[in-house]
Amino acid sequence: LAKTTQPISMDSYEGQEVNITCSHNNIATNDYITWYQQFPSQGPRFIIQGYKTKVTNEVASLFIPADRKSSTLSLPRVSLSDTAVYYCLVGDLAGDSSYKLIFGSGTRLLVRP
Amino acid sequence: DAGVTQSPTHLIKTRGQQVTLRCSPKSGHDTVSWYQQALGQGPQFIFQYYEEEERQRGNFPDRFSGHQFPNYSSELNVNALLLGDSALYLCASSLPEKGRYGYTFGSGTRLTVV
Repeated sequence: LAKTTQPISMDSYEGQEVNITCSHNNIATNDYITWYQQFPSQGPRFIIQGYKTKVTNEVASLFIPADRKSSTLSLPRVSLSDTAVYYCLVGDLAGDSSYKLIFGSGTRLLVRP
Repeated sequence: DAGVTQSPTHLIKTRGQQVTLRCSPKSGHDTVSWYQQALGQGPQFIFQYYEEEERQRGNFPDRFSGHQFPNYSSELNVNALLLGDSALYLCASSLPEKGRYGYTFGSGTRLTVV
């Protein structure tokens, strides 16, 4: 069971780039790295997923080094609405090829004006 | 395209009672997972259903049970409610590729046990 470690909280200002790093030293060969965003009283929302190198979509980039023991979520030019909890997850592939998500405590990002 | 729908949105129950929460997965998704999220904590995995069977289970007592119907919708049942069961209960569905492309979560049911 691959566990993740990420900062408890981060502060930023509007317009800045925010990088949240997650450590997953015991990641398995078949595991993917997925990031979710959650606002209060809402379900988590899928942001981005990757296996290695760099992945970019319309909202974020995900950087994964060759050893895959860590990953960095990059949010370009954050706004106040990006204030949320961000979770880094590593897929837990059970013996029967099923796939469940195990959440840690996440990183609370506060974006200030 | 409707996402994951959960009902009810809020619920208040008395200690010792039983509760049933419902979830309709996103169209095209066949796997449903349930999570419990206490205030200030990350979601905790309860169990996952696929093809109407419980496929995986987290560290939750037998008071927590579930069901998946042929249309892929699901129910979470909790018996003998405790005050500590107060939480946001989240349902998530995923593609037949077993979630590798991301889960879709509902907005949850806020359960308060008094």
